[in-house]
Amino acid sequence: DAKTTQPTSMDCAEGRAANLPCNHSTISGNEYVYWYRQIHSQGPQYIIHGLKNNETNEMASLIITEDRKSSTLILPHATLRDTAVYYCIVRVGYKLSFGAGTTVTVRA
Amino acid sequence: GAVVSQHPSRVICKSGTSVKIECRSLDFQATTMFWYRQFPKQSLMLMATSNEGSKATYEQGVEKDKFLINHASLTLSTLTVTSAHPEDSSFYICSASPAQGRTDTQYFGPGTRLTVL
Repeated sequence: DAKTTQPTSMDCAEGRAANLPCNHSTISGNEYVYWYRQIHSQGPQYIIHGLKNNETNEMASLIITEDRKSSTLILPHATLRDTAVYYCIVRVGYKLSFGAGTTVTVRA
Repeated sequence: GAVVSQHPSRVICKSGTSVKIECRSLDFQATTMFWYRQFPKQSLMLMATSNEGSKATYEQGVEKDKFLINHASLTLSTLTVTSAHPEDSSFYICSASPAQGRTDTQYFGPGTRLTVL
């Protein structure tokens, strides 16, 4: 299974962009990168996913390096409600394997 | 869109009793639903995958006779924890993948917190 490495935690200022890195150096050519977040005591929320092209939706942008060995999730204007654990996942088949994620704290 | 609900949101039961948790996809049909478990301060662990009309596939180490899964329709899957014990106390979360459209994306329910006394 392709595994991901994320920082344990990070802080960011409200209103600023939050850039969340993820390394997935063993990813295979047909494996997608997914990002979810989990606010305390809730189920995970889907954010975005991509294969090799950069992706953007109403929540975030996903930048994937050309060699696909790493990616960055960008929350363009972080709010206090974005405080959560963010999971970067390489999907293998139909399964999602959740790691420890990055605990993001947005501070006023 | 892509809303998944769970019922109940929290349940407390006595040791030795059985508890049923429902997972529903509210605005889409789901051929595949997943059940996860999350212990405090840990990440989600996949327990089993269920496909509508067929038997669930359990992950290694998950007792299929203890965690009964039924996926009788395209919008409903149930997880029954049989003969629950305090070590089964956990946060149980389901997810569902749409049968059409974003079939490769899992949408999660809000979770059910089970406490076994």
